[in-house]
Amino acid sequence: EVQLVESGGGLIQPGGSLRLSCAASGFTVSSNYMNWVRQAPGKGLEWVSVLYGGGDTYYADSVKGRFTISRDTSKNTLYLQMNSLRVEDTAIYYCARLESKRKGLDPWGQGTLVTVSS
Amino acid sequence: QTVVTQEPSFSVSPGGTVTLTCGLSSGSVSTNYYPSWYQQTPGQAPRTLIYNTNTRSSGVPDRFSGSILGNKAALTITGAQADDESDYYCMLSMGFGSWVFGGGTKLTVL
Repeated sequence: EVQLVESGGGLIQPGGSLRLSCAASGFTVSSNYMNWVRQAPGKGLEWVSVLYGGGDTYYADSVKGRFTISRDTSKNTLYLQMNSLRVEDTAIYYCARLESKRKGLDPWGQGTLVTVSS
Repeated sequence: QTVVTQEPSFSVSPGGTVTLTCGLSSGSVSTNYYPSWYQQTPGQAPRTLIYNTNTRSSGVPDRFSGSILGNKAALTITGAQADDESDYYCMLSMGFGSWVFGGGTKLTVL
C-alpha cells in the first residue's frame, strides 16, 4: 500500500527550530517529486516546498531561507527542517507525493500539527 | 505575485450541477498549468479528485469532471450528493519548481 506518515510536530517558541519527518511506504521517495503543504487553522492549503528526484529543491517565498527539505534514501523518508519559526508558521503540515508534473498530489499523509507560540 | 482565484463559497441543490472555477489574477489558465483539484472535509487530509486538467484520480466517481472553461480551469459536479459538501481546492503548476493553491471553495449541498 502506498502511504505517507508524518511526525515531529509540536509546540515551539518563536525563533525556534523543528524537524518534520515523512516516512514513505509502497514507493521510493527518491523517484518522485516530494512535497510539503501546510494549512493554517481555518485557512486554505499552501504549497511549501518540493524535492525533485534529481535533488533540486524549491520553496515558497514565505519559507525561503528558513526551511530546508531533504530526504534519507536509506530510510525512504522525507524531512522538513524548519528554523527561525514564526507565529504565522503555525499549521498542519502534510507531505504528499507528485509522481510527475502532470499528476496530482497523491497520496497525502495525515498531517502533523506545528504550533508556534510563546 | 500571481494569485490563484476561486469562488469563496457556492451552494448546490441535491441532484443539481455546479461548476467551480480556478483562475489567475493575471492571465489565463491553460492545460500547461496542469490544473489539479482536491476535496477536503473537516479534520481530514485532502483527497485528489482531478489531475492534468481532466483526468479523474483512481476511485473518484464520474460525476466529477475537469475542464478548461474560457480562461479558467473548472471542476463540475453533476448530480451533487450530500457527501459532496466539502472544501475544494485547485492547484496550478507555475513552472520553475513552484506550485500554487487557490484559496478554496466551500461547497454547500442544500
